[in-house]
Amino acid sequence: AQSVTQLDSHVSVSEGTPVLLRCNYSSSYSPSLFWYVQHPNKGLQLLLKYTSAATLVKGINGFEAEFKKSETSFHLTKPSAHMSDAAEYFCVVSAVGGSQGNLIFGKGTKLSVKP
Amino acid sequence: DGGITQSPKYLFRKEGQNVTLSCEQNLNHDAMYWYRQDPGQGLRLIYYSQIVNDFQKGDIAEGYSVSREKKESFPLTVTSAQKNPTAFYLCASSISTSGGENEQFFGPGTRLTVL
Repeated sequence: AQSVTQLDSHVSVSEGTPVLLRCNYSSSYSPSLFWYVQHPNKGLQLLLKYTSAATLVKGINGFEAEFKKSETSFHLTKPSAHMSDAAEYFCVVSAVGGSQGNLIFGKGTKLSVKP
Repeated sequence: DGGITQSPKYLFRKEGQNVTLSCEQNLNHDAMYWYRQDPGQGLRLIYYSQIVNDFQKGDIAEGYSVSREKKESFPLTVTSAQKNPTAFYLCASSISTSGGENEQFFGPGTRLTVL
């Protein structure tokens, strides 16, 4: 069975400082992994995805994530936070060869950015 | 403009009433999904459909029903049997469900409140 754990429910950073949102996964298969962002009362937007190609994945808005199989992690980072990055972020796992392309969502990390 | 639309944005229901949430996509995607989002819970899958006239229960299907008569449309009915329907409902679509690699595109959501 697949699962995903986001290690922090809330992260607060100052504008211009680095962002680190942590995610660990569990999967019986080679996983596909995603990060989505959700602004208040909006739908989810894909930030980036890993599908067994390069382990360092670059996404939109300056975000990137590194797939580390030995640590079963897929942490999301950004060198310098912007006020517009304040939102909720979801780490998501889907298993290649698993059932029907279902996505398993983490419970989310709310990112606050202080001026 | 390609995308997914959901209507209405806000919906109020009296106890004992059925209500139907609309989801339409013009992305020519085969697969469509309904999720429920509660604070601190991430997203939970209600129903999904891989193709017209076919749909499958997700993790929390009790008290909900769907239909898929057209490729573009996947309406969700919240019935009076759903004991705690107040939540944010998100519709999504993807090219297919196979392989687990297909990213899902999300609509803007419908917030349902039971009075």
